[in-house]
Amino acid sequence: GAGVSQSPSNKVTEKGKDVELRCDPISGHTALYWYRQSLGQGLEFLIYFQGNSAPDKSGLPSDRFSAERTGGSVSTLTIQRTQQEDSAVYLCASSRTSGGTGELFFGEGSRLTVL
Amino acid sequence: KQEVTQIPAALSVPEGENLVLNCSFTDSAIYNLQWFRQDPGKGLTSLLLIQSSQREQTSGRLNASLDKSSGRSTLYIAASQPGDSATYLCAVSPGTSGSRLTFGEGTQLTVNP
Repeated sequence: GAGVSQSPSNKVTEKGKDVELRCDPISGHTALYWYRQSLGQGLEFLIYFQGNSAPDKSGLPSDRFSAERTGGSVSTLTIQRTQQEDSAVYLCASSRTSGGTGELFFGEGSRLTVL
Repeated sequence: KQEVTQIPAALSVPEGENLVLNCSFTDSAIYNLQWFRQDPGKGLTSLLLIQSSQREQTSGRLNASLDKSSGRSTLYIAASQPGDSATYLCAVSPGTSGSRLTFGEGTQLTVNP
């Protein structure tokens, strides 16, 4: 597609369940980012993938959070044993850093509600 | 650690007014600075990107300036319209090659008809 695609757009789950959020970046974009935005808050960095380099995981809030990026394209963010404080909008962005300006393009986000 | 601050947090203006949104950052070693717009319940839309070597960028009624030495950027919106109502965020990318962005908390703009 033309833009960054995220799924699901909305997810309601029970506390303790695992969830997977998917991000399909813009074709050709080598960099992929995950951010989290809690209600009324700013964006919190989670993880950054750049090409084949080791990801920058320094923003992951706990070991319940993990992410992978297969084949340098699609990324999945997994939250295990969800807690109510995990409720937020999870935003994915991509950019073409190699030969590009580094401009970020965001998806519409996945809204996670943990009951 | 890079910190980004946006002032004001909220702004309400009548339609037609020119306005300025401010963004400041603590570490001047940036790769680029980007301004975004976020509508309620939506993702972020890129408005303008300024590389560290540039002083300003313009797109339509929007003009963004960058003063790296003082750690400041401004977003100027000319002849504001109700459709400009949204939250505006600035973000800086650190270092020499760019990586994760650090975001400000945003300015919530309301343009009243």
